Amino acid sequence: KAGVTQTPRYLIKTRGQQVTLSCSPISGHRSVSWYQQTPGQGLQFLFEYFSETQRNKGNFPGRFSGRQFSNSRSEMNVSTLELGDSALYLCASSLQRNSRVGETQYFGPGTRLLVL
Amino acid sequence: KNEVEQSPQNLTAQEGEFITINCSYSVGISALHWLQQHPGGGIVSLFMLSSGKKKHGRLIATINIQEKHSSLHITASHPRDSAVYICAVPYNTDKLIFGTGTRLQVFP
Repeated sequence: KAGVTQTPRYLIKTRGQQVTLSCSPISGHRSVSWYQQTPGQGLQFLFEYFSETQRNKGNFPGRFSGRQFSNSRSEMNVSTLELGDSALYLCASSLQRNSRVGETQYFGPGTRLLVL
Repeated sequence: KNEVEQSPQNLTAQEGEFITINCSYSVGISALHWLQQHPGGGIVSLFMLSSGKKKHGRLIATINIQEKHSSLHITASHPRDSAVYICAVPYNTDKLIFGTGTRLQVFP
């Protein structure tokens, strides 16, 4: 079974531009979560989607948005990019059979975004 | 105060040594994740545990829910174990809160 894939793997943008990142979960997984990792802040939760609905959202400005499609693939969008948005963006998928306990999350390789 | 704290932040060891990484958390949880991140960024989920102990090869994870504390042990450490180890707790179903990570370097 193929793992979580993310595209693109690397991206360079300039301030003010927008960017869309894509995540394809493991087949059968219905939950997709997005995380941002920076040297200063570490790993931070962005948002989580389940069955095309955003269930949880982290403390990020409205410039960060996402969506999930009927095939569970997810995209996240960052508008009006700032230098501080330079980071590794990771997505993770899980089956979500038991949402109270939490399940093992399977991470993609990440998209490394550099904003100049 | 961080909701999830790890210690130590950095750890160096000689090959073969026994390694212990600690994680303490203040949020109420029912399970805890241990993750491994290699240079380059890829993250692998090592364990998810809600009680007691789990073992996978040379890795052992324990958790004490009452004391809100978990430990990750590596027996007979090897240079390929060099990575950042991160603990994370779920908050609101699958929203994960992460520790700051422990950078482990194992020298031959």
